[in-house]
Amino acid sequence: KAGVTQTPRYLIKTRGQQVTLSCSPISGHRSVSWYQQTPGQGLQFLFEYFSETQRNKGNFPGRFSGRQFSNSRSEMNVSTLELGDSALYLCASSLYTGLNTEAFFGQGTRLTVV
Amino acid sequence: GESVGLHLPTLSVQEGDNSIINCAYSNSASDYFIWYKQESGKGPQFIIDIRSNMDKRQGQRVTVLLNKTVKHLSLQIAATQPGDSAVYFCAENSDRGAQKLVFGQGTRLTINP
Repeated sequence: KAGVTQTPRYLIKTRGQQVTLSCSPISGHRSVSWYQQTPGQGLQFLFEYFSETQRNKGNFPGRFSGRQFSNSRSEMNVSTLELGDSALYLCASSLYTGLNTEAFFGQGTRLTVV
Repeated sequence: GESVGLHLPTLSVQEGDNSIINCAYSNSASDYFIWYKQESGKGPQFIIDIRSNMDKRQGQRVTVLLNKTVKHLSLQIAATQPGDSAVYFCAENSDRGAQKLVFGQGTRLTINP
């Protein structure tokens, strides 16, 4: 069974641009959540989507947004990129949402903003 | 535990020894806890989980202990191997309606030959 797939693996963007990252969850999983990982802040929750609905959102500015499609694939978008947005963006897939549900991570997309 | 800054605790053990990685979590309402292993250049890999109605759970070479009284979680790895070298994170979920993990700052485990 294929794992969580994130594309692209690496991305370099310029300040002010926007970027879209993609996540394909494990087959049959309906929940996709996104995290930002930086050396300074560690792993921080961005948002979660379940059945095409955003279930929860972390403490990030409105420049960070996402969506989920009917096949459970998810995209996240960051507009007006800032240098501080450079990070590893990870997505995790779960069978369901809520407690007691294992979350499996993809390899991440390494975003560098210059 | 909430991520609190740059400092990443480190732990060095000899190959074959047992290692214990500790984590203090912040939310007494958290009901579900997971340990992840992250190797360089990879995403976090699920190791083991535990529900709040348990105080111990064992897997293959790993044991997780949960002490809700002092909000403490530990991961014990038996007979460590070179492949165990990685950063280990604990994560907690207190939101019954969402998959929202709060991660600790992580511990870098180094296995010495």
